[in-house]
Amino acid sequence: DIVMTQSPDSLAVSLGERATINCKSSQSVLYSSNNENYLGWYQQKPGQPPKLLIYWASTRESGVPDRFSGSGSGTVFTLTISSLQAEDVAVYYCQQYYSTPITFGQGTRLEIK
Amino acid sequence: EVHLVESGGGLVQPGGSLRLSCAASGFTFSSYAMSWVRQAPGKGLEWVSGISGSGGSTYYADSVKGRFTISRDNSKNTLYLQMNSLRAEDTAVYYCARIAAADIFDVFDIWGQGTMVTVSS
Repeated sequence: DIVMTQSPDSLAVSLGERATINCKSSQSVLYSSNNENYLGWYQQKPGQPPKLLIYWASTRESGVPDRFSGSGSGTVFTLTISSLQAEDVAVYYCQQYYSTPITFGQGTRLEIK
Repeated sequence: EVHLVESGGGLVQPGGSLRLSCAASGFTFSSYAMSWVRQAPGKGLEWVSGISGSGGSTYYADSVKGRFTISRDNSKNTLYLQMNSLRAEDTAVYYCARIAAADIFDVFDIWGQGTMVTVSS
């Protein structure tokens, strides 16, 4: 199984500042035949289902604000929120869809400082 | 508009069974793989099972293999999860999610609101 490990577990950032969440996979999720990283990022607000933010490690889902960006390749990935807004308070999860079982990181709770 | 609506959750005794349903609308159901993901109270996301768009391929987490069965009826635009031999650790909100391709190796782009399953005596 591919283990996804996020850091930190929780993060407090001031409004307007940058937030960075890291995700490491226990093995590469880069598929050589198409050169795509099978890595997604989700945002979950209290009482709501998860919402897709980023897929293929760096492609923003339609309608997601451009302050959200994803980067990385192979086993190391990052979700960056360039200027934190109040509505970004949530838990963020990375996910690999390279192989089954599909696995999620443990989540990173983002709060306002 | 694309919608997924889960139903069938509830309180069940250990060892009992439940069948969850997920009604899909607003897209060509058979063109997309589907999945179930659960979230225990206060915990993170756990993938449970997935099924290809045709229904010909199914996948399970080890924690539910042999107890849960995923299926779909493309004529009714509905996804199912038959859950047998339920345990306390199966207590969770169960989400239905659309996968952004016909096979399961893609992101989960649409999620339902979830249905709560509680296993307790």
